[in-house]
Amino acid sequence: DAKTTQPPSMDCAEGRAANLPCNHSTISGNEYVYWYRQIHSQGPQYIIHGLKNNETNEMASLIITEDRKSSTLILPHATLRDTAVYYCIVINQGAQKLVFGQGTRLTINP
Amino acid sequence: DAGVTQSPTHLIKTRGQQVTLRCSPKSGHDTVSWYQQALGQGPQFIFQYYEEEERQRGNFPDRFSGHQFPNYSSELNVNALLLGDSALYLCASSDQAAGGSYEQYFGPGTRLTVT
Repeated sequence: DAKTTQPPSMDCAEGRAANLPCNHSTISGNEYVYWYRQIHSQGPQYIIHGLKNNETNEMASLIITEDRKSSTLILPHATLRDTAVYYCIVINQGAQKLVFGQGTRLTINP
Repeated sequence: DAGVTQSPTHLIKTRGQQVTLRCSPKSGHDTVSWYQQALGQGPQFIFQYYEEEERQRGNFPDRFSGHQFPNYSSELNVNALLLGDSALYLCASSDQAAGGSYEQYFGPGTRLTVT
């Protein structure tokens, strides 16, 4: 599985868009980009995933660059409840496990 | 619809003892994965069970073993506990028929403390 690089921490004001970057320069053609988050004292929660195209769901948007070497998770209107550690994971098709890195600790400030 | 449930919530054991953690997957899910999360670290994959068989294993010693039952629930057993086994143990379930194990639903975890 390709390695990912994320900033260790970020801050964002409540109500603003939170943009979380992830570098995955060694990603291969059949690897997906997945995002999970972990709120304090809870298990990780699936957010969104994509292969090539940008994706949007009720929680977030995922923007993947054309060369697929990086991506950005966008929380359009961050709330205090979005404070969590966000993990960007690249998964090979057919893989059975999630490989978590250190993630980005996102703090939403009032 | 119940999500993934784990028991117990917290557990304190002594070095050398054995522990069994339990997990019930989300309704409709047939695959269970176990992860260990040390304080301040991301979860680390222990193993995955599907059709009552261990399908893949992470870099964990044989002291860690598991089982999956016909109703898809699962147990994680750890023998000869070490202080370093203190961690949050997470169970995640997924549906093979839905396209793989990528989208996993996690339980709240069991906090194990070894003294």
